[in-house]
Amino acid sequence: DVQMTQSPSSLSASVGDRVTITCRASQSVTSFLNWFQQKPGKAPNLLIYAASTLHSGVPSRFSGSGSGTDFTLTINSLQPEDFATYYCQQSYVAPATFGGGTKVEIK
Amino acid sequence: EVQLVESGGDLVPPGGSLRLSCAASGFTFSSYWMTWVRQAPGKGLEWLANIKQDGSEKYYVDSVKGRFTISRDNAKNSLYLQMNSLKAEDTAMYYCARVELERQGTYHYYYMDVWGKGTTVAVSS
Repeated sequence: DVQMTQSPSSLSASVGDRVTITCRASQSVTSFLNWFQQKPGKAPNLLIYAASTLHSGVPSRFSGSGSGTDFTLTINSLQPEDFATYYCQQSYVAPATFGGGTKVEIK
Repeated sequence: EVQLVESGGDLVPPGGSLRLSCAASGFTFSSYWMTWVRQAPGKGLEWLANIKQDGSEKYYVDSVKGRFTISRDNAKNSLYLQMNSLKAEDTAMYYCARVELERQGTYHYYYMDVWGKGTTVAVSS
């Protein structure tokens, strides 16, 4: 299986900060990389698919980049509603696998 | 409104069985691949199984292969997960999700774009 490693596992940031989360795959997944946001007690929500395509309705402060094995999720000007856990997921090699998550907390 | 609603979660003893359901509304259910994903308490997400629009193709993660069966009834707009030989490590929140496919150039990307709220399965004696 393709192992997805996210870093950091958690971070503290302030409203207005720029936040960057990294996801690394154990082998190339080309651009078959999705990002999800999950708030406590809620289901995940799709943010970005195909590494950099913003899902409908997702604010433009979210962006994704990367290809092959290294990917980045960036949140520009962090908002109060962005404090959550973020997961990357590859859909290139079966089975689809998720990263361990990055928890974004309030500083 | 596009919606998925899971049901059927319960407390079951090890070795027991359970059938989860997922009711879809607000979209043409028969046009989409569907999937199940679970999340153990305090842990990350684990993809479990996919099923094609007509049910002719099904795929499973190794950890549930032979124990879990995904199925669907397009006439009832419903997705199911039959879980047998349950183990303590199957304790989790179980989500159903819609799978969207999008072509970009030569690639066909797939991603889970609509999720239900989940149903809780606890396996314990």
